[in-house]
Amino acid sequence: GQQVMQIPQYQHVQEGEDFTTYCNSSTTLSNIQWYKQRPGGHPVFLIQLVKSGEVKKQKRLTFQFGEAKKNSSLHITATQTTDVGTYFCAGPRGNNRLAFGKGNQVVVIP
Amino acid sequence: DVKVTQSSRYLVKRTGEKVFLECVQDMDHENMFWYRQDPGLGLRLIYFSYDVKMKEKGDIPEGYSVSREKKERFSLILESASTNQTSMYLCASTPGGWTQHFGDGTRLSIL
Repeated sequence: GQQVMQIPQYQHVQEGEDFTTYCNSSTTLSNIQWYKQRPGGHPVFLIQLVKSGEVKKQKRLTFQFGEAKKNSSLHITATQTTDVGTYFCAGPRGNNRLAFGKGNQVVVIP
Repeated sequence: DVKVTQSSRYLVKRTGEKVFLECVQDMDHENMFWYRQDPGLGLRLIYFSYDVKMKEKGDIPEGYSVSREKKERFSLILESASTNQTSMYLCASTPGGWTQHFGDGTRLSIL
């Protein structure tokens, strides 16, 4: 079945530095979504990308959807302690279901 | 704002008990989902429902059942709880698009 893989699984990031997390699908996706889960919290929707090559920005966060619509990335600049958490990507897998990646757990070092 | 409410944040039950986890959404959403979340395994779909009284198995339905008698409520049932069902359980809903709205989760411990 359709799978979504995320790399890396864990990241330790110095406060103030930039980092990127990646998401790869085994099949072409009609769209891709990103969610963030704070420690002790629940996943919260961040953004959806639909078009090939699409780039969207939310303040310090930049999301990209690959040209082939099989991969995506999230780049965060000037990391802050509030960026700590697990970032999930997810793609459609039919019947209104999503296939979630296993997440990228980010720890911010002050 | 969409509100998805799960009945308990923390729950402790004993092996062999029948356990009910309740989820209610207030936005008339068609689709509702139950996931479990375990370290290193991400979110795994247990069951989902796309309409009242309609349900479909997800990836790990064994040991679970669901009930959706009303549109706003989706219940997850552990027929006979076992220790390997200790986990975080997350409910989500969506109006028919892809964006999922999650509840706060229920951390269930089976002793």
